[in-house]
Amino acid sequence: EPEVTQTPSHQVTQMGQEVILRCVPISNHLYFYWYRQILGQKVEFLVSFYNNEISEKSEIFDDQFSVERPDGSNFTLKIRSTKLEDSAMYFCASSESSPAPGGYFGPGTRLTVT
Amino acid sequence: KQEVTQIPAALSVPEGENLVLNCSFTDSAIYNLQWFRQDPGKGLTSLLLIQSSQREQTSGRLNASLDKSSGRSTLYIAASQPGDSATYLCAVRLDTGNQFYFGTGTSLTVIP
Repeated sequence: EPEVTQTPSHQVTQMGQEVILRCVPISNHLYFYWYRQILGQKVEFLVSFYNNEISEKSEIFDDQFSVERPDGSNFTLKIRSTKLEDSAMYFCASSESSPAPGGYFGPGTRLTVT
Repeated sequence: KQEVTQIPAALSVPEGENLVLNCSFTDSAIYNLQWFRQDPGKGLTSLLLIQSSQREQTSGRLNASLDKSSGRSTLYIAASQPGDSATYLCAVRLDTGNQFYFGTGTSLTVIP
């Protein structure tokens, strides 16, 4: 069964550094998403991406964040100048259409900012 | 803004019991509702998806119902097993927009 993959599974970085989280969505999907989950809190929407541009973003997704689809398979989330409060699990998701019949979520990248 | 609440926050049952997890949402203009399972430190596994026009969906020992007008969904797990121990999340998508709104989850422990 096709699945969304994410790398790395765990990323440790120092405050102020830039990180790039990578995702490979399901190959025939057209819509891509990033969510995050701070430990003990709800899963929160960050951004959705379609046709090489952001289609929707939350108030969390400020200028510190950016997304890109650099090639035909990868979807990346860049976090600039990381802060302690950016420590969270980051989930990538993809869907065939929007509104989608359902979202397929990746296993997540645990980001730890020290 | 859509608010999604799940009750109870935690539940512990002996193996073999049937159980119900509850999800409520404030904005009934939803497109669909999805139940997920999350194991500790892991990703989200989709269990059941209910479109707004549907009343329920079944998969094996799982049955999810949706009452859109009252803003409620339930996940029924029959004959629970220790392997069912996990956190269960419900998420709703509105008629407008792309994002899922997640609940805080119910942490289920099934005791052998």
